[in-house]
Amino acid sequence: AQSVSQHNHHVILSEAASLELGCNYSYGGTVNLFWYVQYPGQHLQLLLKYFSGDPLVKGIKGFEAEFIKSKFSFNLRKPSVQWSDTAEYFCAVNAHGDSNYQLIWGAGTKLIIKP
Amino acid sequence: ETGVTQTPRHLVMGMTNKKSLKCEQHLGHNAMYWYKQSAKKPLELMFVYSLEERVENNSVPSRFSPECPNSSHLFLHLHTLQPEDSALYLCASSQGSSRAADTQYFGPGTRLTVL
Repeated sequence: AQSVSQHNHHVILSEAASLELGCNYSYGGTVNLFWYVQYPGQHLQLLLKYFSGDPLVKGIKGFEAEFIKSKFSFNLRKPSVQWSDTAEYFCAVNAHGDSNYQLIWGAGTKLIIKP
Repeated sequence: ETGVTQTPRHLVMGMTNKKSLKCEQHLGHNAMYWYKQSAKKPLELMFVYSLEERVENNSVPSRFSPECPNSSHLFLHLHTLQPEDSALYLCASSQGSSRAADTQYFGPGTRLTVL
């Protein structure tokens, strides 16, 4: 069965630090890739997604992610984090050829930004 | 607000009770989803409805019974639950009727506690 691995359950950074959250998936075929974010007290919402084309995807609030097919990875990055980036981040994958409706989710990474 | 509402927001029930969770989307979407979110675990897809027909049922115990009377409303009927069913239950919707690659819009969730 396909799976998604997020390497860190908790990350603590200071403001202005650079961020990289890891995401790896286990599927050898074509995939659609997503990062969702859940700010404290708010709903899960889409941060960015990759379908095809340029493997470097830009999302909201200065986030970007790079799809590296050879590494089965879709890591999330931000060059300089802010206190307002404190949230839980979820990576998700839709594997083509698998159910069209099935998003496979990672367990999430809780990011805490110290002011 | 994402246009997806859920009621109640919190629910405490005994193992012999029967209760229902309600989800409503105001986005004109064609697909609706139920997820279970437990601490430190990936989101688990429970059910998907597309154009009011159930298209996914991920081996969910029969004590959970979904109902989709129209494209805007989704219910999850609960009966004889177990304490391990305590979790946050999330509803989501997406525009398309056939693609998990569509952005999913989430409600705030119902925090369920089974005593």
